[in-house]
Amino acid sequence: GAGVSQSPSNKVTEKGKDVELRCDPISGHTALYWYRQSLGQGLEFLIYFQGNSAPDKSGLPSDRFSAERTGGSVSTLTIQRTQQEDSAVYLCASSFSRGGTDTQYFGPGTRLTVL
Amino acid sequence: GENVEQHPSTLSVQEGDSAVIKCTYSDSASNYFPWYKQELGKRPQLIIDIRSNVGEKKDQRIAVTLNKTAKHFSLHITETQPEDSAVYFCAAMWADGLTFGKGTHLIIQP
Repeated sequence: GAGVSQSPSNKVTEKGKDVELRCDPISGHTALYWYRQSLGQGLEFLIYFQGNSAPDKSGLPSDRFSAERTGGSVSTLTIQRTQQEDSAVYLCASSFSRGGTDTQYFGPGTRLTVL
Repeated sequence: GENVEQHPSTLSVQEGDSAVIKCTYSDSASNYFPWYKQELGKRPQLIIDIRSNVGEKKDQRIAVTLNKTAKHFSLHITETQPEDSAVYFCAAMWADGLTFGKGTHLIIQP
């Protein structure tokens, strides 16, 4: 079946512009996660959704970052007034539930470059 | 929150030899420990995982061990092959999401 998809695959933007990154989870997966991977770094957890709800936004790096999920499916991560330090690969993952031990499947990521 | 330490950062082994990557975690409440393999420019792919109710799990050439008392877990790859070359990440599941180690760049020397 179809895996997690993300769009765009690459995004180049100018400093100060807003960007929207999209994630389509695996059909039927209720849990959705956003991570960020900076060049040569590990993966940093940003936020998760159970259904449409994101109980804890404290992992987001700053108030310029926001995320939403509608219809229990597609999620968008929005970065306002982008800065050069926002340049990274943004990865989305989904799992069947938020049971804590369900496998997370990753999307291909969106490579964001802020000039 | 959870803190995961991973060692070594780079590991070079001869083809056919074994490779071992070690991770420690800080939150005793963590109960799920996956390992991901990431090839250059690609998404992380789950290769094996272990839940806290078992101490060891094997899948062909790959095995993971978990010591809950010491709060560490390890990945073992036997009979390494060139296609094993990649970056490997350990992770621990805590309240909200996975906390990852910094990764180990595994290099298989021919």
